[in-house]
Amino acid sequence: GQNIDQPTEMTATEGAIVQINCTYQTSGFNGLFWYQQHAGEAPTFLSYNVLDGLEEKGRFSSFLSRSKGYSYLLLKELQMKDSASYLCAVRGGATNKLIFGTGTLLAVQP
Amino acid sequence: DTGVSQNPRHKITKRGQNVTFRCDPISEHNRLYWYRQTLGQGPEFLTYFQNEAQLEKSRLLSDRFSAERPKGSFSTLEIQRTEQGDSAMYLCASSPGTVTYEQYFGPGTRLTVT
Repeated sequence: GQNIDQPTEMTATEGAIVQINCTYQTSGFNGLFWYQQHAGEAPTFLSYNVLDGLEEKGRFSSFLSRSKGYSYLLLKELQMKDSASYLCAVRGGATNKLIFGTGTLLAVQP
Repeated sequence: DTGVSQNPRHKITKRGQNVTFRCDPISEHNRLYWYRQTLGQGPEFLTYFQNEAQLEKSRLLSDRFSAERPKGSFSTLEIQRTEQGDSAMYLCASSPGTVTYEQYFGPGTRLTVT
C-alpha cells in the first residue's frame, strides 16, 4: 500500500526555524520531493532527495532516511510569505508518478 | 519557456454536462501527468503520458474520464456526465524525464459542478 503522513497544521513565528516531518510507506521509491503550495496556486518545487542525508538550498533544507522511511523539511529565518501548504511526495513506479501526502499548512505569525 | 499552461482556469458546470480541459506542457517535455486535488488534500495521480502514449491510469479514473495527448504535445482531459463529486482542482504537470524527474505544475483548472 501507499501511505504518506505529515502533520496537518503547524504554526511558527517570523524569524524562527520550523521542521516539517514526513513519514512514508510506499511500494516503490525513486526519490522524495517537497513542494510549496500557496492557496489557490499550483505546487512549486522546493527540494529533492534520493540518497540519505541533508540537502541544503538557501533557507530551505531537506533530510532523508530511506531505512526509516522518514524525511523532514527545515525552513530557517521564517518570513510571512512562507505561510503556505508544504507537500511531501514520493516518486515511485515505472512512470515516476508522485504520491502526495495531505500537506502541512504552515502559518507564520508576526 | 513560459511554463505549463492550463485552460480554462475556472469552469462551472451543471451536473450531467461534459467538460474538457486543456494542458500545454513545457515544450520538449515528453512526460505529462494529470492530478486531481480537493480542498485540504494533496494532489492525487490520475494518468500519465509519455509522448502520445497513455502508459498509466489510476483507479480513480472512472470510465467517465478520458485523456488524450494526440501529437505528444498538448493534452486534454474530458469528464462526461459530470457529478458533484468531480468538483476539484485538476492539475497538469510535465517533466523532461531526466536527472531529478522534477515535475513542473500548471496553475490548474478549478471545476465546480452544481
